[in-house]
Amino acid sequence: EPEVTQTPSHQVTQMGQEVILRCVPISNHLYFYWYRQILGQKVEFLVSFYNNEISEKSEIFDDQFSVERPDGSNFTLKIRSTKLEDSAMYFCASENRGLYEQYFGPGTRLTVT
Amino acid sequence: EDQVTQSPEALRLQEGESSSLNCSYTVSGLRGLFWYRQDPGKGPEFLFTLYSAGEEKEKERLKATLTKKESFLHITAPKPEDSATYLCAVRGTNAGKSTFGDGTTLTVKP
Repeated sequence: EPEVTQTPSHQVTQMGQEVILRCVPISNHLYFYWYRQILGQKVEFLVSFYNNEISEKSEIFDDQFSVERPDGSNFTLKIRSTKLEDSAMYFCASENRGLYEQYFGPGTRLTVT
Repeated sequence: EDQVTQSPEALRLQEGESSSLNCSYTVSGLRGLFWYRQDPGKGPEFLFTLYSAGEEKEKERLKATLTKKESFLHITAPKPEDSATYLCAVRGTNAGKSTFGDGTTLTVKP
């Protein structure tokens, strides 16, 4: 069964450093998303991506964040200068057209020290 | 702004003791209501999509129902392996994203 994969599973970084989180969405899906979940809190939307551009972004997704689909399979989230409050689980999701069903990856746990 | 409220926050059941989880929502035009299961440290696992009031979906011991204001996830004769956090999310007509509730953490004791 096709699934969304994410790497790395855990990333530890120092405050101010740049990190890139990687995702491989389900191959025939067209819509891609990043969500995050701070420990003990709800899943929060960050950004959606379709046709090689951002469709929608939340207030959380400020200038320190960027997304890219560098090739036909990968989808990345870059955080330019990490802050302590960026520590969270980051989930990638992909969606097929018309069904609105989002399938999530296993997540990357980002720890900023 | 789409909103989702789940209750209860936590539910403890004995194995075999059936119960229901509630998801109340407000949305400007419903494209879909989704139920997910999330195990600790893992990503949400898709369970069901409901598109319109009156719709029902079933999978093993789980049954999801939908009205115009809320959805229920009924768990029949649960087993310990059903222990997890169950998340409800909605997608509105004007939204390009899903809005999640806080989840209900279900614990099933043998």
